[in-house]
Amino acid sequence: GQNIDQPTEMTATEGAIVQINCTYQTSGFNGLFWYQQHAGEAPTFLSYNVLDGLEEKGRFSSFLSRSKGYSYLLLKELQMKDSASYLCVPLDSNYQLIWGAGTKLIIKP
Amino acid sequence: DADVTQTPRNRITKTGKRIMLECSQTKGHDRMYWYRQDPGLGLRLIYYSFDVKDINKGEISDGYSVSRQAQAKFSLSLESAIPNQTALYFCATSDPDRESGELFFGEGSRLTVL
Repeated sequence: GQNIDQPTEMTATEGAIVQINCTYQTSGFNGLFWYQQHAGEAPTFLSYNVLDGLEEKGRFSSFLSRSKGYSYLLLKELQMKDSASYLCVPLDSNYQLIWGAGTKLIIKP
Repeated sequence: DADVTQTPRNRITKTGKRIMLECSQTKGHDRMYWYRQDPGLGLRLIYYSFDVKDINKGEISDGYSVSRQAQAKFSLSLESAIPNQTALYFCATSDPDRESGELFFGEGSRLTVL
């Protein structure tokens, strides 16, 4: 079956750095997305990785290792507004998105 | 104004009633999707459409139907609503010509079936 494994919840301090890990098992692979979702709101796109390595975009970076079925999202200089759920969403061989419940990130002052 | 607009944003209805959720977009994307989200769960795909003449069932299409009236409009109907269809519903679009092909979501429609 297809599976995504992320921590259910993480807590971090404002101004710090946090890494959210994701391991996945899919039928084939055509890339991986990270989305941010604030409570009660729609997901918003953060990053897309299709090749191995690190993609940096401002305070957010995303890493992919296809051979390990592993990705992480790195958030730097955390702000209170970063409190949200972070969704690791792989794309399978049929180009179907595989959604999990994500990681709820709580930022404390 | 939002690029992807959903109406209504909130709706409370009774079991057995017919409900329509509407989605319109100004992004010019051919691909449109309907998802539902339940607390603590990931998004689940209900239906998707790659153009006006193309409609496809997702993983949980039972109890739902859709209509793609135009490139910009994609409606979701619940013919006879039941309480376990209480959820947050999202419409989304995507552009297959973008390398990432990420989804652009509407603000969501919260449906409560009593």
